[in-house]
Amino acid sequence: AQTVTQSQPEMSVQEAETVTLSCTYDTSENNYYLFWYKQPPSRQMILVIRQEAYKQQNATENRFSVNFQKAAKSFSLKISDSQLGDTAMYFCAFMKRNTGNQFYFGTGTSLTVIP
Amino acid sequence: DVKVTQSSRYLVKRTGEKVFLECVQDMDHENMFWYRQDPGLGLRLIYFSYDVKMKEKGDIPEGYSVSREKKERFSLILESASTNQTSMYLCASSTQNSYEQYFGPGTRLTVT
Repeated sequence: AQTVTQSQPEMSVQEAETVTLSCTYDTSENNYYLFWYKQPPSRQMILVIRQEAYKQQNATENRFSVNFQKAAKSFSLKISDSQLGDTAMYFCAFMKRNTGNQFYFGTGTSLTVIP
Repeated sequence: DVKVTQSSRYLVKRTGEKVFLECVQDMDHENMFWYRQDPGLGLRLIYFSYDVKMKEKGDIPEGYSVSREKKERFSLILESASTNQTSMYLCASSTQNSYEQYFGPGTRLTVT
């Protein structure tokens, strides 16, 4: 079974500063995908960033980037120049390629951006 | 844009009632999922379906059933609602090749 661990239930960051959210996972698979999803207060869950395990280069999307350490099974999310709209619950997720492409989610990190 | 809709944002039901939660997606996705979200527990998979009339149990299927008669619609059924099923329920869909899951807005169910 796959497990995903987010050890930081809550975090806060000053506006315009940088923050890193941690995620570790446990799997015996070699071909898999990792995701960070964002759930703003009372709003829909949306994809922030995706990483394919076979790619060594870390994914980036504008102010969001990941630090993917495959051997350590670590997948952290860095948010640069934090904005008030980044306040949300962030979930790390793991997916292995199979029928249905089931996801495994962590317990989430609640991030608050302070003005 | 992919759109996933859920029949209700808020629902209040009594213990023992039969409850139907409906999810519809408009992008011809093969895969559909039902999760429940609870504080401190994250998202836990209840059931998923990778094709019409096909279903697979997730991590917490007890007390739930599902139905997928049409590709765009995936229903979650609580045969006899109990207070421990009070939760936020999220529906999601994906294609077999894109890997990204698209989520609905969620249904907050309260069972009293």
